[in-house]
Amino acid sequence: AQSVTQLDSQVPVFEEAPVELRCNYSSSVSVYLFWYVQYPNQGLQLLLKYLSGSTLVKGINGFEAEFNKSQTSFHLRKPSVHISDTAEYFCASMDTGRRALTFGSGTRLQVQP
Amino acid sequence: EAGVTQFPSHSVIEKGQTVTLRCDPISGHDNLYWYRRVMGKEIKFLLHFVKESKQDESGMPNNRFLAERTGGTYSTLKVQPAELEDSGVYFCASSHRASSSYNEQFFGPGTRLTVL
Repeated sequence: AQSVTQLDSQVPVFEEAPVELRCNYSSSVSVYLFWYVQYPNQGLQLLLKYLSGSTLVKGINGFEAEFNKSQTSFHLRKPSVHISDTAEYFCASMDTGRRALTFGSGTRLQVQP
Repeated sequence: EAGVTQFPSHSVIEKGQTVTLRCDPISGHDNLYWYRRVMGKEIKFLLHFVKESKQDESGMPNNRFLAERTGGTYSTLKVQPAELEDSGVYFCASSHRASSSYNEQFFGPGTRLTVL
């Protein structure tokens, strides 16, 4: 069975500082990996995805993530955050043979001025 | 192009009552998914339709939950009778076509269900 762990439930950070949101996954099969963002009163929006190929994946809004197979991690990073990045971020995996997403418990990013 | 829409946005019901949630996917999307997030925990998969057929319902918690997608367009998720532990946010998502390759899932804003 797949599982996704997001170790940090909340991450406070000052504006223009760098941030890393951690995600570890476990699976006995090949997986795709994703980061979604949820702004208040909105649905989940795909930030970026890893399907295959280059392990460094760039997404929208200046975010990027690196797939590390040996450490089973897919951490999300941004070199300089903005107030508008305040949201909840979800890491997710998908078994390549299925369609169901397996989510982590979410990380609330709070960007302070 | 309209996104995935869900109705209602909020629902408050008494334990034992029935509630029906509706999801309208993006036009032309064959795949429709239901997910649920209970009390700040992880979002969990409930089931997956391909057109009007249930492709995977492995996440449905019990037989109090009934999902339908008649005609392969919108979908409903009925909870009958509702229990306290059913409270949470119910998300719907859709993706383009039934194929073996990856298709991005587009999510609706969710329905927040509170069972008192």
